[in-house]
Amino acid sequence: QSALTQPPSASGSPGQSVTISCTGTSSDVGAYNYVSWYQQHPGKAPKLMIYEVSKRPSGVPDRFSGSKSGNTASLTVSGLQAEDEADYYCSSYAGSNNFVVFGGGTKLTVL
Amino acid sequence: QVQLVESGGGLVKPGGSLRLSCAASGFTFSDYYMSWIRQAPGKGLEWLSFISSGSATIYYADSVKGRFTLSRDNAKNSLYLQMNSLRAEDTAVYYCARLSLGRREFDCWGQGTLVTVSS
Repeated sequence: QSALTQPPSASGSPGQSVTISCTGTSSDVGAYNYVSWYQQHPGKAPKLMIYEVSKRPSGVPDRFSGSKSGNTASLTVSGLQAEDEADYYCSSYAGSNNFVVFGGGTKLTVL
Repeated sequence: QVQLVESGGGLVKPGGSLRLSCAASGFTFSDYYMSWIRQAPGKGLEWLSFISSGSATIYYADSVKGRFTLSRDNAKNSLYLQMNSLRAEDTAVYYCARLSLGRREFDCWGQGTLVTVSS
């Protein structure tokens, strides 16, 4: 069982928006603004898409955005494109004991 | 370009040992904190271990504490994971990953190396 809870699947049609949630606790997501999101295509390494809740690394389209409220973080993908179909994982810093915890992942399907 | 390349994976019997390596290039390895993260077949990501830039601080997940040892050689731009007392549930793709400077996200990942624990 993963430390952070994500829905196993999400879907949307091209051009639509989809939001993926990531629920933690007051010891991880709720305690720190160190939530990040990773995209993973089949057989590939994860790729950083969002860091520190809502910041985008250079090269990541602005269709990807992040937010947080309390113990729940969210990733929104706007203007869905076929290449957005992938697994998405959230993670949060959890202090020196657990350091980083991941969500179980959400499979995003572009219909 | 920034690159991490893992090696050392393979098939090992339960109770056996394996040493993974991660070769870094394209950046000043000694400046960065590093971690190992694994992914069991068809499963999610699991953080395993963290090491600070000078090796002064090392953390482990409970699942590997006492069995795995993380180390680095900054002169060789390399990260290592010594894995002992391996179990079937350690079967996974093992990734080394770089933490962004001063932050807590992994901004660069290797391609992964597969470890299979089976008799």
